[in-house]
Amino acid sequence: DAKTTQPPSMDCAEGRAANLPCNHSTISGNEYVYWYRQIHSQGPQYIIHGLKNNETNEMASLIITEDRKSSTLILPHATLRDTAVYYCIVRPRQGAQKLVFGQGTRLTINP
Amino acid sequence: DVKVTQSSRYLVKRTGEKVFLECVQDMDHENMFWYRQDPGLGLRLIYFSYDVKMKEKGDIPEGYSVSREKKERFSLILESASTNQTSMYLCASSLGGTSGNIQYFGAGTRLSVL
Repeated sequence: DAKTTQPPSMDCAEGRAANLPCNHSTISGNEYVYWYRQIHSQGPQYIIHGLKNNETNEMASLIITEDRKSSTLILPHATLRDTAVYYCIVRPRQGAQKLVFGQGTRLTINP
Repeated sequence: DVKVTQSSRYLVKRTGEKVFLECVQDMDHENMFWYRQDPGLGLRLIYFSYDVKMKEKGDIPEGYSVSREKKERFSLILESASTNQTSMYLCASSLGGTSGNIQYFGAGTRLSVL
């Protein structure tokens, strides 16, 4: 899997949009960008994934640059429950490979 | 919604005990995984299974075994628990094939071996 780089920590005010960046300059053509998060003492939670087009679901939006070398996860109206470590991963869409998380971004939502 | 259920959130066991961790998924997923997560070491794959009665070793299988007799259930067995197996254990499942490589996790079991 291609390597990703994320800032170690970020803060965001409750109710504001949280924008989490991820660099993946070595991504290959068949690799998708996936985002997971892990709230303290819970299992990781899948958020969203995409190939090259922007994606949106009930949890978040994913913006992938045209060259696919970076992406941004957007939580449109952050709540205190969004405080978690967020992981950006690039990997093929199919297969049963193990999941490997980097250091991720520790996002703190402040009241 | 995909649901992956782990039988216990917290377990305390004695050294030498045989420990069973159970995991059930309700989405007819082909693949199931057992990881452990330790501070500073991230997620480490213990075993995974891509079909009933099929299993593959992950990165750290020593001291563990698994069983998958039914598609929805994947059990992790610690044959003789040791203190270095104190950890958070996470079960995951994925659909497999060409339909996606998304892994869905259970809430985790925090095991303490005394």
